[in-house]
Amino acid sequence: DAMVIQNPRYQVTQFGKPVTLSCSQTLNHNVMYWYQQKSSQAPKLLFHYYDKDFNNEADTPDNFQSRRPNTSFCFLDIRSPGLGDAAMYLCATSRVIRDDEKLFFGSGTQLSVL
Amino acid sequence: KQEVTQIPAALSVPEGENLVLNCSFTDSAIYNLQWFRQDPGKGLTSLLLIQSSQREQTSGRLNASLDKSSGRSTLYIAASQPGDSATYLCAVKKGQNFVFGPGTRLSVLP
Repeated sequence: DAMVIQNPRYQVTQFGKPVTLSCSQTLNHNVMYWYQQKSSQAPKLLFHYYDKDFNNEADTPDNFQSRRPNTSFCFLDIRSPGLGDAAMYLCATSRVIRDDEKLFFGSGTQLSVL
Repeated sequence: KQEVTQIPAALSVPEGENLVLNCSFTDSAIYNLQWFRQDPGKGLTSLLLIQSSQREQTSGRLNASLDKSSGRSTLYIAASQPGDSATYLCAVKKGQNFVFGPGTRLSVLP
């Protein structure tokens, strides 16, 4: 089945040690999003790619970077994770930016920072 | 800035009850509104999408309505089942962005 796949499912890193989360999609969607969700809170958009065009949210910390080497893959890099970055990171896709387009999510990566 | 709230934050009902979840948003100039389901520790699954020109959408036991002028949407779940237990989030779309509410945590007791 076509889907959005995130790896790993769980990631443990040390304070200050760079970490990369990955997302792949077989939907051939144009847009890929990264959301951060802390416990019992709303998912918060970090950034998104429309094809190769990168769009950063104004309040996304500089500590967070992203790469999209091709249509199928997108990576979230956290350069120096702090304890406050422990969260669920959700990757999502949509086909094009249109009114009737749904958002499709992966299963998420739960990040712990020790 | 768009803000989305959901009431109640948590809800516990006996199996078989009909229930309503509420979503409110501050900026009525939206493109669409989606309702999602999230199981503990998992990603989000889209349930229903209502375009800005529509008033409601139905899927099985679920019915979602949208009143853009008042900034409100409701998700109606008929004949609730224990398998419906999850967190339900609404999200509004404007431009390229989706803004989420914090969700309503639903427990359906057998």
